[in-house]
Amino acid sequence: QQQVKQSPQSLIVQKGGISIINCAYENTAFDYFPWYQQFPGKGPALLIAIRPDVSEKKEGRFTISFNKSAKQFSLHIMDSQPGDSATYFCAASIESNTGKLIFGQGTTLQVKP
Amino acid sequence: SAVISQKPSRDICQRGTSLTIQCQVDSQVTMMFWYRQQPGQSLTLIATANQGSEATYESGFVIDKFPISRPNLTFSTLTVSNMSPEDSSIYLCSVLRDRGTEAFFGQGTRLTVV
Repeated sequence: QQQVKQSPQSLIVQKGGISIINCAYENTAFDYFPWYQQFPGKGPALLIAIRPDVSEKKEGRFTISFNKSAKQFSLHIMDSQPGDSATYFCAASIESNTGKLIFGQGTTLQVKP
Repeated sequence: SAVISQKPSRDICQRGTSLTIQCQVDSQVTMMFWYRQQPGQSLTLIATANQGSEATYESGFVIDKFPISRPNLTFSTLTVSNMSPEDSSIYLCSVLRDRGTEAFFGQGTRLTVV
């Protein structure tokens, strides 16, 4: 019940295309859903986060779509760039402790020039 | 943001030995965490490092294997004890700023056990 399932495991997108990564969770107590970006040799860095009281959040080229009834959320990267090539992790936690994160399995994104 | 320094950045250790990883934060924080990222895998929370009291371990992790110290609000150590090749992972320190929601991560310590 604590799992967060992420797909796909890897993704190749052409420059300018849309990258879509999906996550699903089971624990309805989760109420904070961040996405982290990780480059090789670096720690993860927060990209964007959403709470279940909204269905969508957009920051620049990055959008989270959230479906509370389906217990699913997704990351959309518009106009994907080669610099977006990284590993992306979805995560979930309970608002009272957003440092205790349950991470998805990760998606390795490659954006081809 | 938060500046988190981890030492060492990488190490190669013999099986049966122990390694202590240090995490230094640029300002006082109440919440510090240690995560493990196995090769090509996701991150798994090992424990919450509590200042002034024993760390709180997640299921599957025990104090004898991963003792943690938290002597003050800017510093913590994680020891990986009696290492085996299965302990080869990246170990990451994470902090949550007081009254913040964003978890910040250090760059990680890449441990290889041979």
